[in-house]
Amino acid sequence: SAVISQKPSRDICQRGTSLTIQCQVDSQVTMMFWYRQQPGQSLTLIATANQGSEATYESGFVIDKFPISRPNLTFSTLTVSNMSPEDSSIYLCSVPHRFHGYTFGSGTRLTVV
Amino acid sequence: AQRVTQPEKLLSVFKGAPVELKCNYSYSGSPELFWYVQYSRQRLQLLLRHISRESIKGFTADLNKGETSFHLKKPFAQEEDSAMYYCALSGDAGGTSYGKLTFGQGTILTVHP
Repeated sequence: SAVISQKPSRDICQRGTSLTIQCQVDSQVTMMFWYRQQPGQSLTLIATANQGSEATYESGFVIDKFPISRPNLTFSTLTVSNMSPEDSSIYLCSVPHRFHGYTFGSGTRLTVV
Repeated sequence: AQRVTQPEKLLSVFKGAPVELKCNYSYSGSPELFWYVQYSRQRLQLLLRHISRESIKGFTADLNKGETSFHLKKPFAQEEDSAMYYCALSGDAGGTSYGKLTFGQGTILTVHP
């Protein structure tokens, strides 16, 4: 299955600032997904990032708050903008694999103070 | 809308005892079901997917379309099975929700010596 490198692994940020999370995949993939896991909660899909097109956001998530870039088939970034303490979560990227389901990055643990 | 329910947030068993982690789903088409596991301080990883019908680490799961369930079972639990387990669903290929995983709330399994 694909190997995903995600960084940073964790960060503590001031409210009102932005953080960009990167995911690098060791093979070319068409679709990449970004998830959020709030404290004590399950994973929730934020958006689907396809190369060469705008990301598709799920209900409750908007591009102004979570802009996504997908410059090529192996890389994507998710920015958490104008952060508030409610944005404190673990953010994960994921890519599908035909035979192995979906592979996840190690996650970015974000704390907003 | 698709939904995954894991009714047990916590499950404790003794080593050698059978274990069953319950998962029920709601989906109008033909979903693909997964079990993911997250060991302490490790990333989320695929344990099983229903289409492969294989046994991993002694775990099995059978998709019951009549009961809309995908329960995870192991006849003899081991201490190293202690982890968080997530049941997840993806829509069928060609549908708008294909590739988008919906997760249950997760079950923390603790296997006591």
